[in-house]
Amino acid sequence: DSGVTQTPKHLITATGQRVTLRCSPRSGDLSVYWYQQSLDQGLQFLIQYYNGEERAKGNILERFSAQQFPDLHSELNLSSLELGDSALYFCASSVGETRQGNEQFFGPGTRLTVL
Amino acid sequence: AQKITQTQPGMFVQEKEAVTLDCTYDTSDPSYGLFWYKQPSSGEMIFLIYQGSYDQQNATEGRYSLNFQKARKSANLVISASQLGDSAMYFCAMREGGYGNKLVFGAGTILRVKS
Repeated sequence: DSGVTQTPKHLITATGQRVTLRCSPRSGDLSVYWYQQSLDQGLQFLIQYYNGEERAKGNILERFSAQQFPDLHSELNLSSLELGDSALYFCASSVGETRQGNEQFFGPGTRLTVL
Repeated sequence: AQKITQTQPGMFVQEKEAVTLDCTYDTSDPSYGLFWYKQPSSGEMIFLIYQGSYDQQNATEGRYSLNFQKARKSANLVISASQLGDSAMYFCAMREGGYGNKLVFGAGTILRVKS
């Protein structure tokens, strides 16, 4: 158990819908990262937050948004869903910006299926 | 250009033998980190080992060691005394620049341990 929790574990929804994925980082971790794993694109970085502020953006679609709350949990919002958004969405956390704390620990993932 | 290349889509190894999983990387940043993760069929991402670009010695964690050859830009994972439970997908990843930055992942290598 990495200490990172993600809910829900599975999500099945229809095209055009909106969903919210939730992540709670390990205790003490300030950085949260979201990654998408799909068969055709592999593991791709979406977005990072550090202590409530957006720190970096990757190949995140405009239909997707995220935020990190004061208690450091994070939510990834996916809207106007398309079939191609079906993937495993991971949240990872790390202590932050030191050598000792730079390992990223991943949650169990949320498997999103868009029908 | 690919930043992380894992040239072995799949590997077989006999139980109790050692196996090397290849990873080459491409970066012009003098400060970077290299990570290996294991993804079993259950889907979670398990952190295995980390090597910093300025680390003089190769990283080791139990049965895992990282063969870091900086001039060749390679960071191969060596698993000694393979076990059936080592059967999984293995990902090499790189962090460019400062601690806390995002990870870029390779395509992965599927390892199967035979009894």
